Amino acid sequence: GAVVSQHPSRVICKSGTSVKIECRSLDFQATTMFWYRQFPKQSLMLMATSNEGSKATYEQGVEKDKFLINHASLTLSTLTVTSAHPEDSSFYICSARRGLDTEAFFGQGTRLTVV
Amino acid sequence: GIQVEQSPPDLILQEGANSTLRCNFSDSVNNLQWFHQNPWGQLINLFYIPSGTKQNGRLSATTVATERYSLLYISSSQTTDSGVYFCAVVPRNQAGTALIFGKGTTLSVSS
Repeated sequence: GAVVSQHPSRVICKSGTSVKIECRSLDFQATTMFWYRQFPKQSLMLMATSNEGSKATYEQGVEKDKFLINHASLTLSTLTVTSAHPEDSSFYICSARRGLDTEAFFGQGTRLTVV
Repeated sequence: GIQVEQSPPDLILQEGANSTLRCNFSDSVNNLQWFHQNPWGQLINLFYIPSGTKQNGRLSATTVATERYSLLYISSSQTTDSGVYFCAVVPRNQAGTALIFGKGTTLSVSS
């Protein structure tokens, strides 16, 4: 299967600071990547669709100015949580697939704790 | 939008038992996948199965697309099977869009 790598796996930051999370497709090119958020004991909720070379598409209720997405190359998308607050503490996970109707693969996830 | 419902929400088994997890979806799909989320949060791909039947060791899955459901079978369960099992779909005519997840089934296997 395809490999999607996410970094860091765990981060603790102070309230008010920004955190960048990287998502890489290691053995394929991905024009589209997806960012999800998962709260404890809940399912994965789609935050945004990251499109290479263009603006991300955000789901309703997700603040685009707080969650900045950059998809600068066909193998890298980044999610920056700006001015983080304790309520942004969550598990963030990215996904990508080789082609339109193919299997999706997920990164290892990033557990963000804002103190 | 499409609804994905998984049942049961929780399942407790003794080691060696068999189980069936169900995923119902409210509309036609292009893509259906089953995942196992381990205690560290990693999503492990189990099956990519928009239709038909597949088997991988003790696990097998069947999707009946015309009736809008999929089943995941776990045979001779082991403690390492514990975790959350998710079903996720991409609606038909929305190829290339994100997977939509059900709420999951939490499986606990005790020795």
